[in-house]
Amino acid sequence: EVQLVESGGGLVQPGGSLRLSCSASGFSFSFYGMHWVRQAPGKGLEYVSGISSNGRSTYYADSVKGRFTISRDNSKNTLYLQMSSLRPEDTAVYYCVKGSPYYGLDFWGQGTTVTVSS
Amino acid sequence: EIVLTQSPGTLSLSPGERATLSCRASQSVSSSSLAWYQQKPGQAPRLLIYGTSGRATGIPDRFSGSGSGTDFTLTISRLEPEDFAVYYCQQYGSSPYTFGQGTKLEIK
Repeated sequence: EVQLVESGGGLVQPGGSLRLSCSASGFSFSFYGMHWVRQAPGKGLEYVSGISSNGRSTYYADSVKGRFTISRDNSKNTLYLQMSSLRPEDTAVYYCVKGSPYYGLDFWGQGTTVTVSS
Repeated sequence: EIVLTQSPGTLSLSPGERATLSCRASQSVSSSSLAWYQQKPGQAPRLLIYGTSGRATGIPDRFSGSGSGTDFTLTISRLEPEDFAVYYCQQYGSSPYTFGQGTKLEIK
């Protein structure tokens, strides 16, 4: 059974930093691209970032480019999102998502909440 | 990036009726790279349809997808009470991936 468990969310002041982690199990983590998708309170889904299976290719939404960094450790089956220069508009539930070139975003974690507020 | 526009924003229907949800792209999307997701309150989204018309594992056959180019459709043939939720289309053929803004399917 595929499991994706996010951690690292919390309350942070504007301009601060936070690192999210996603622990994956139940599939061959190193074979698949992985992604972060967020959802602000009462809003729709927003694609944040993605990383290829070997970590060599990364992708970012314009809204986070230059502030967020996605990475992965295939030896630990873990995905990361380093977030810096955080803004109130980054407040959201952040989902870790398994990618598939065939199926799209086929498995989602339950999400971790990030709140940016003073 | 590819912009996806969903319509209508809200759809009010009764159980047993047919629902038709639309997703229009700002540029052509490969049919193999268009997906639909369902999200219920307090839950993570769930993959419904991949590659325009493929049903994900466990998805009932009342859900179907169609379309090509810039116009795609999700159809629910006969609504069940558990189908009332928010639906998102998404393209995964071009990075960064993008989502539509969602269609809320509510009980009339």
